[in-house]
Amino acid sequence: ETGVTQTPRHLVMGMTNKKSLKCEQHLGHNAMYWYKQSAKKPLELMFVYSLEERVENNSVPSRFSPECPNSSHLFLHLHTLQPEDSALYLCASSQEKGGGGYTFGSGTRLTVV
Amino acid sequence: DQQVKQNSPSLSVQEGRISILNCDYTNSMFDYFLWYKKYPAEGPTFLISISSIKDKNEDGRFTVFLNKSAKHLSLHIVPSQPGDSAVYFCAASGSSGTYKYIFGTGTRLKVLA
Repeated sequence: ETGVTQTPRHLVMGMTNKKSLKCEQHLGHNAMYWYKQSAKKPLELMFVYSLEERVENNSVPSRFSPECPNSSHLFLHLHTLQPEDSALYLCASSQEKGGGGYTFGSGTRLTVV
Repeated sequence: DQQVKQNSPSLSVQEGRISILNCDYTNSMFDYFLWYKKYPAEGPTFLISISSIKDKNEDGRFTVFLNKSAKHLSLHIVPSQPGDSAVYFCAASGSSGTYKYIFGTGTRLKVLA
């Protein structure tokens, strides 16, 4: 597989559930990101991992917990979410230096009921 | 405060005509800009970029113009095609060597056949 792959594509969960989103990249990139896209809002950066170390956390609530076990995999663990957390969650990867932008996955459409 | 703004949420253009999508930014430290295109149910894909040392970058039907004094960039698509119908995001970073981008809210382009 090439590019950035996210699973699942769609997820419906109750507020008391625990679930995880998975992201995998086969591009040899050394930085990975979680973004949240809500309607009529900019893409919101949630977490940045560079060389498997979390380098940024944009004041994201603790009910979102990222994990980066290696440079190819990124997880977002979810627990006790709220309905307002319903959104499209996008994973991206890039080279840490040199610009060139991100390669995004197709996203996970999350609905919290 | 939104550092990257796309003030037009939507735009409709006839096939064959020019589409112009606009983006404004407030941070004078931004020096690298990108445009992404997003189809429904897919992640954003990189379209074109421009560094602040240039005022124009062209790639086929797509041209990005940068006006640093006005802190404004625009994406021109000529001629527009129905397949160009998508949401377009502009993004900016503070250095061509950094990996963190700030995104706008997006403009939904509809090209009418």
